Amino acid sequence: AQTVTQSQPEMSVQEAETVTLSCTYDTSESDYYLFWYKQPPSRQMILVIRQEAYKQQNATENRFSVNFQKAAKSFSLKISDSQLGDAAMYFCAYSSYNNNDMRFGAGTRLTVKP
Amino acid sequence: DTGVSQDPRHKITKRGQNVTFRCDPISEHNRLYWYRQTLGQGPEFLTYFQNEAQLEKSRLLSDRFSAERPKGSFSTLEIQRTEQGDSAMYLCASSLAYVSYEQYFGPGTRLTVT
Repeated sequence: AQTVTQSQPEMSVQEAETVTLSCTYDTSESDYYLFWYKQPPSRQMILVIRQEAYKQQNATENRFSVNFQKAAKSFSLKISDSQLGDAAMYFCAYSSYNNNDMRFGAGTRLTVKP
Repeated sequence: DTGVSQDPRHKITKRGQNVTFRCDPISEHNRLYWYRQTLGQGPEFLTYFQNEAQLEKSRLLSDRFSAERPKGSFSTLEIQRTEQGDSAMYLCASSLAYVSYEQYFGPGTRLTVT
């Protein structure tokens, strides 16, 4: 079964600085999708960035980028120029190619200090 | 499009009572997922539908849980004879299979069993 591990329960960053959140996963599949979701306090989960496993190029969305290492089964999220609004729980998630379900890590709580 | 909606947002019930939650997906989405999220954890997959067919159920979905999507649009999740361990956030998500692999989440229903 696929598992997703986020080894950093909490992280903090100074406003305008850069922070990297770690994620590793375990799978025997070759085709799959990886996601980072953001869940602000008492608000719904929103997609931050996604990566298709067959693509070697790392995904980028504005201030958010990933470092996808398929062989190492690692999928980290880098947030540049951190803003106060980035404070939230961040979940790394794995989905098989059929997208039948999504497996989530336990999350990393990001605090942004002004 | 108004996104995925869930009703109610909060539910407090006494142990042993039955509860039912509703999810309205994004209108053109043919897949609908249910997840459960406990405090400090990532969401756990419960079940998913493609149109009106329930295609997969997690072992987490005990016999007391039942989900339906009768016309391939909205879905209901019923929990019979609730237990304190059922207290959690119940999340619904939807996607458009074979077109996009992104899942869009609703705000969730927070269940408290006293």
